[in-house]
Amino acid sequence: KNEVEQSPQNLTAQEGEFITINCSYSVGISALHWLQQHPGGGIVSLFMLSSGKKKHGRLIATINIQEKHSSLHITASHPRDSAVYICAAPRGWASGTYKYIFGTGTRLKVLA
Amino acid sequence: EADIYQTPRYLVIGTGKKITLECSQTMGHDKMYWYQQDPGMELHLIHYSYGVNSTEKGDLSSESTVSRIRTEHFPLTLESARPSHTSQYLCASSDRDGPDTQYFGPGTRLTVL
Repeated sequence: KNEVEQSPQNLTAQEGEFITINCSYSVGISALHWLQQHPGGGIVSLFMLSSGKKKHGRLIATINIQEKHSSLHITASHPRDSAVYICAAPRGWASGTYKYIFGTGTRLKVLA
Repeated sequence: EADIYQTPRYLVIGTGKKITLECSQTMGHDKMYWYQQDPGMELHLIHYSYGVNSTEKGDLSSESTVSRIRTEHFPLTLESARPSHTSQYLCASSDRDGPDTQYFGPGTRLTVL
């Protein structure tokens, strides 16, 4: 069992739909990172959050540290949102540094 | 937008060749990382650097080596490429202790024939 699990693994939506991607983790962390990977392979950081909710444009991320669960929501989805969404849990490592434990990603395709 | 660059973006080479994947960042970040990602799979950390002249192995065993002679530059080298090295290689950097944001480069997609 992966320490960071995402669901669903694949998601196809129609343009305009509200989308939710879930991330559950078993490691003890103080924050969680949501990343977006485009078909070309580049990765963009979306959110780093340690509590509550963050919003950026049509993207909303929520986290419940006690329940070890985070969600990424996309409102009014658009074909350009098609990408792989990855949650990453930074875990304390050696010498006060952190390393990321990555989920396998959710492949989102938004149809026009 | 993050200022972290990787070259080449795509590379197709034959078995046995020596290759170097370049990664540079202009943000003055101390920490830099190399990840390997097979198609449809999660990222795995293969190398890490705390700063100049410090490098560490990551979680996933890799035959590649890295160096950190300058803060902004973190190249990855394969002395003798093999088909099993075919993958995507992503470089990232961050600037503080703590679970802060990592900035990713665009990646290098390597194919070894």
